[in-house]
Amino acid sequence: EAEVAQSPRYKITEKSQAVAFWCDPISGHATLYWYRQILGQGPELLVQFQDESVVDDSQLPKDRFSAERLKGVDSTLKIQPAELGDSAMYLCASSFGLGWEAFFGQGTRLTVV
Amino acid sequence: KNEVEQSPQNLTAQEGEFITINCSYSVGISALHWLQQHPGGGIVSLFMLSSGKKKHGRLIATINIQEKHSSLHITASHPRDSAVYICAVSSLIQGAQKLVFGQGTRLTINP
Repeated sequence: EAEVAQSPRYKITEKSQAVAFWCDPISGHATLYWYRQILGQGPELLVQFQDESVVDDSQLPKDRFSAERLKGVDSTLKIQPAELGDSAMYLCASSFGLGWEAFFGQGTRLTVV
Repeated sequence: KNEVEQSPQNLTAQEGEFITINCSYSVGISALHWLQQHPGGGIVSLFMLSSGKKKHGRLIATINIQEKHSSLHITASHPRDSAVYICAVSSLIQGAQKLVFGQGTRLTINP
């Protein structure tokens, strides 16, 4: 069954280090989302891609976060430097297009120490 | 006030009980999603609906567009149903189609 793949599942990093997460959406899905979910809260959108173009990155802390989807397929989310407050679950989701049902990956749980 | 509000925030019940989780929203939507998240796990889409009612096994989701309200029901609840249930709406916000999430309802089913 098609699924959204994310890696790593877990990551522990020291404050001020760089960290990167990878997401491979379901084949054929043009829309890709990165969400951050702090424990006990709902997901918060960080960035949304339509193919290789950024549709919405208004909530992305651009001083330390960057995201790319160079060929419009898989995507990488980077944090540099990581801060303690970045500890969260980072979720990737994809959909066939805007407004279509979104499918989520297992997420990457980041702990910054 | 959040655009998507869920109630209750936490719910504990005994195995076999009928469960209802509510979701109210204040924005225009193209669809509403019910999602399930197990502890430490990713999110699984349960339903996407824009009108009426959908049923899948012991799960039923309903939506009332006029009242901007949706409910997720679980019949004959089981401990394996313990999870966080999240309501999300697809909405056109500032010219872009976005998913807006509720804060989630943590459900615990005791044996």
